[in-house]
Amino acid sequence: DIVMTQSPDSLALSLGERATINCKSSQSVLYSSNNKNYLAWYQQKPGQPPKLLIYWASTRDSGVPDRFSGSGSGTDFTLTISNLQAEDVAVYYCQQHYSTPTLTFGGGTKVEIK
Amino acid sequence: EVQLLESGGGVVRPGGSLRLSCAASGFTFDDYGMNWVRQAPGKGPEWVSGINWNGGTIGYADSVKGRFTISRDNAKNSLYLQMDSLRAEDTALYYCARARGIRYFDWLSHWGQGMLVTVSS
Repeated sequence: DIVMTQSPDSLALSLGERATINCKSSQSVLYSSNNKNYLAWYQQKPGQPPKLLIYWASTRDSGVPDRFSGSGSGTDFTLTISNLQAEDVAVYYCQQHYSTPTLTFGGGTKVEIK
Repeated sequence: EVQLLESGGGVVRPGGSLRLSCAASGFTFDDYGMNWVRQAPGKGPEWVSGINWNGGTIGYADSVKGRFTISRDNAKNSLYLQMDSLRAEDTALYYCARARGIRYFDWLSHWGQGMLVTVSS
């Protein structure tokens, strides 16, 4: 199974700062036939289910603010939150859907306001 | 509006059984793969099982293989998870989640609110 490793475990930033969350997969999730990375990002606020933010590593889901962006390819990926807002306090998870039959999630990164 | 409503959770003793249900509405159910994902208290999500649009392809996490059975009834717009031989480590909030398309093996675009399963003596 592909193992997804996120870093850091948590970060505390001031409002308006940039948050950078890393996700590393134990093997490539880039599918060569379509050049797409089979990686998604989710946001989970306390008491709520995860919410899809980004798919194909860099495509924002409908309604997701453009301060959220995803980048990376192969095994190394980054979720960036520019201009951090109070409502962005949450835990963020990456997930791969490359290696059947098992979907796997990263361990999560908690984002707090300093 | 897509809605997924889980039911059937509760407290059960180790070795016991429970059947979770997920009632789907707001979309054409048999156009989508479906999944169960669980989250233990204070932990990240763990994929449990998935089923494609017609039940023809099913997958399980190693941690539940042989104990849990996923199924769906497209006529009733419903997804199920039969959980047998339950263990303390199965204690978690269980989410029903819809995939992007007909395969379950994809990103998860919509999630229910979750149903708590507690396995305790």
